[in-house]
Amino acid sequence: GESVGLHLPTLSVQEGDNSIINCAYSNSASDYFIWYKQESGKGPQFIIDIRSNMDKRQGQRVTVLLNKTVKHLSLQIAATQPGDSAVYFCAEILYNFNKFYFGSGTKLNVKP
Amino acid sequence: NAGVTQTPKFQVLKTGQSMTLQCAQDMNHNSMYWYRQDPGMGLRLIYYSASEGTTDKGEVPNGYNVSRLNKREFSLRLESAAPSQTSVYFCASSNTGFEAFFGQGTRLTVV
Repeated sequence: GESVGLHLPTLSVQEGDNSIINCAYSNSASDYFIWYKQESGKGPQFIIDIRSNMDKRQGQRVTVLLNKTVKHLSLQIAATQPGDSAVYFCAEILYNFNKFYFGSGTKLNVKP
Repeated sequence: NAGVTQTPKFQVLKTGQSMTLQCAQDMNHNSMYWYRQDPGMGLRLIYYSASEGTTDKGEVPNGYNVSRLNKREFSLRLESAAPSQTSVYFCASSNTGFEAFFGQGTRLTVV
């Protein structure tokens, strides 16, 4: 199967600081990438996505950066809040197969 | 709008018992998926269905069967449960090229 990995399994940040969560993906043919947030006891929820023809996409307090040269994806959260504490997964998708491959996740702890 | 609904939310089985996990979506999505998530791990794809009437194996299909009953429903069956199948199971749905929406999960314990 495909491999999507994360560099940092746990990240602790101070409330108000910016957070950066990284992800390495393996398939250069992947068409589409998504970041999901999973709170304890819940299913993953969509945060932001980016297509392979883009380098950057911004949402509300979140930015995703895609570096296809090194097959790297990052999620930046501005002014991190306690409600941002969760596990974050990146996923890569190949359109031809419409299958989502997930990494092992990064747990974000926001300290008050 | 319910999204993706899974039943049951919790289940305890004895080794060798069988059960079916139910999943239904009301978003008219073509594709549906079953994942399992072990503690501290990511989601691993068990089976998926790209459209009504089709199913395909994912990364970890052994010990499971699926049925795409209609466009809305995609069930996962464990014929003879094993302790190694203790996990949280998530169903998801999507349309091609768009994000997947997940259910709340079924926490299964096999003793």
